[in-house]
Amino acid sequence: DTAVSQTPKYLVTQMGNDKSIKCEQNLGHDTMYWYKQDSKKFLKIMFSYNNKELIINETVPNRFSPKSPDKAHLNLHINSLELGDSAVYFCASSQGADRDDQFFGPGTRLTVL
Amino acid sequence: DQQVKQNSPSLSVQEGRISILNCDYTNSMFDYFLWYKKYPAEGPTFLISISSIKDKNEDGRFTVFLNKSAKHLSLHIVPSQPGDSAVYFCAARNDYKLSFGAGTTVTVRA
Repeated sequence: DTAVSQTPKYLVTQMGNDKSIKCEQNLGHDTMYWYKQDSKKFLKIMFSYNNKELIINETVPNRFSPKSPDKAHLNLHINSLELGDSAVYFCASSQGADRDDQFFGPGTRLTVL
Repeated sequence: DQQVKQNSPSLSVQEGRISILNCDYTNSMFDYFLWYKKYPAEGPTFLISISSIKDKNEDGRFTVFLNKSAKHLSLHIVPSQPGDSAVYFCAARNDYKLSFGAGTTVTVRA
């Protein structure tokens, strides 16, 4: 009965590899997000989709590509991984784009060696 | 260019006493302010929010105060309980985007 789930929970990979993180929400929400928590613990918005349409696209390298096959899923694909991509990535969802109460997944800790 | 700052990385408080967490911001366009709570190995969970047109919002043991002229908000937890031990993130919203502070780790001592 998990509200927002992410897989995998941990991901360790080599520089240059391509990897994906999956996110699913069973709350019936319209809006989903990806955040990156860096080494200084700041959570920064990367992308947001509302009804499968991209509405927020922060200054993120184009190696990062979100994909929303339906309203319940927002996956994050990362090409040519770099050391600086190591972080915890959080998926979140909300009822609408203007709602402040976002529901977060447990996070995916990505380590690039 | 962090627009939301939590200058106290940690706070230790005795059980039953008041916890006061502070947050400062720089962007006057923020229209909503929020507090999230995070336990280890979990995602943040929404705690309480306040609109920029208000100066106080209360929900049970949690009260958020907003001082727009000072660009400052605070979260009061009264009384503090052991289960309140967590990281608390301040966040502010502008144009559908949330900007987060770095968090304050609260430890409630028995």
